[in-house]
Amino acid sequence: DGGITQSPKYLFRKEGQNVTLSCEQNLNHDAMYWYRQDPGQGLRLIYYSQIVNDFQKGDIAEGYSVSREKKESFPLTVTSAQKNPTAFYLCASLGQSNTGELFFGEGSRLTVL
Amino acid sequence: AQSVTQLGSHVSVSEGALVLLRCNYSSSVPPYLFWYVQYPNQGLQLLLKYTSAATLVKGINGFEAEFKKSETSFHLTKPSAHMSDAAEYFCVTLSGGSYIPTFGRGTSLIVHP
Repeated sequence: DGGITQSPKYLFRKEGQNVTLSCEQNLNHDAMYWYRQDPGQGLRLIYYSQIVNDFQKGDIAEGYSVSREKKESFPLTVTSAQKNPTAFYLCASLGQSNTGELFFGEGSRLTVL
Repeated sequence: AQSVTQLGSHVSVSEGALVLLRCNYSSSVPPYLFWYVQYPNQGLQLLLKYTSAATLVKGINGFEAEFKKSETSFHLTKPSAHMSDAAEYFCVTLSGGSYIPTFGRGTSLIVHP
């Protein structure tokens, strides 16, 4: 079945460490997104990519980095520069037409110890 | 810039009662509109979408929404709430030609026995 796979589901990190969250899709979608979700704050856009080898900062990009070397993959690195990284992270892709819906992964919960 | 307003961060209903979750958008051109549902520690799933084909849109799990241009609204309803409907609901817009969805802050639906 087609879909988006995020891993790991749960991740613990010590302060000062970088961590990378994986996002893979087999939907052949061009546009992909990373969102951060905190209780009571909805979804906030971190980065997005409309095409391979190109990506743009969203509203809260500081302390994060991404790459888009393959259409299927859009990994997110949470760097040590991110002051408050504990959150739920969601990856999504957009249907082929921009009238289409977003498809979401199951999310990754990062906890900094 | 587009915006989406969801009135009420929490809505509480009794099982069997009508569910009404409110969403208003601001856009000079009628956008594409979506409702998503999120269960705890999961990604978002599409409930329904409006893409100008019909103003009354039926979705999954007995939900429906009506697009009202005069009121710039897209409220979500369900005639009879079920315990399994307890979740977070997001109203989302996407303007034609844009690749950046705009999310509402979300409404948490609480269903009492």
